Amino acid sequence: ELKVEQNPLFLSMQEGKNYTIYCNYSTTSDRLYWYRQDPGKSLESLFVLLSNGAVKQEGRLMASLDTKARLSTLHITAAVHDLSATYFCAGDNYGQNFVFGPGTRLSVLP
Amino acid sequence: NAGVTQTPKFQVLKTGQSMTLQCAQDMNHNSMYWYRQDPGMGLRLIYYSASEGTTDKGEVPNGYNVSRLNKREFSLRLESAAPSQTSVYFCASIEGLGSKPQHFGDGTRLSIL
Repeated sequence: ELKVEQNPLFLSMQEGKNYTIYCNYSTTSDRLYWYRQDPGKSLESLFVLLSNGAVKQEGRLMASLDTKARLSTLHITAAVHDLSATYFCAGDNYGQNFVFGPGTRLSVLP
Repeated sequence: NAGVTQTPKFQVLKTGQSMTLQCAQDMNHNSMYWYRQDPGMGLRLIYYSASEGTTDKGEVPNGYNVSRLNKREFSLRLESAAPSQTSVYFCASIEGLGSKPQHFGDGTRLSIL
């Protein structure tokens, strides 16, 4: 059974700084997904990573996947307040369903 | 585009009452999912339906039943609600396990007293 961990669980950072959120998973997962959730809202898809070495970027966010290390990263460049949210990674559980990490709650302070 | 629609958005129940959460998608997706989200625990899969006519248990199925009524609709039923089932419930759908992400509904906030 796939297990997904994230760290840190809470992250407070200043505007303009860079930081990385890590997503580790326990078994082979062909695909890795990143979602964003604003307080009281639903989940919004950010990235779908389909293979080893995949890198995707959108604005100040960049996600990568290393299937050999069973690791995905979400890198934040020059953070702004609008990026404050909870970020979830999710793995493909043997092609049957999805397993989510616990989420990283990000606060970007002025 | 409606996407994934969940009803109701909010509900308060008393312990022992029953209710059904409704979910419908208009994207012709094959697979549908029910999750619950509790503070600090991310999303946990309750049940899923890989295709019309099939349903399977997820991580936390106890106390719930589901029905895949047709390709569009996937309902979640609480037969005898318990306070431990107080949570936010999300329905999601996906075309298939491929290159696309799941689409989520807005959620149902359920409180059981």
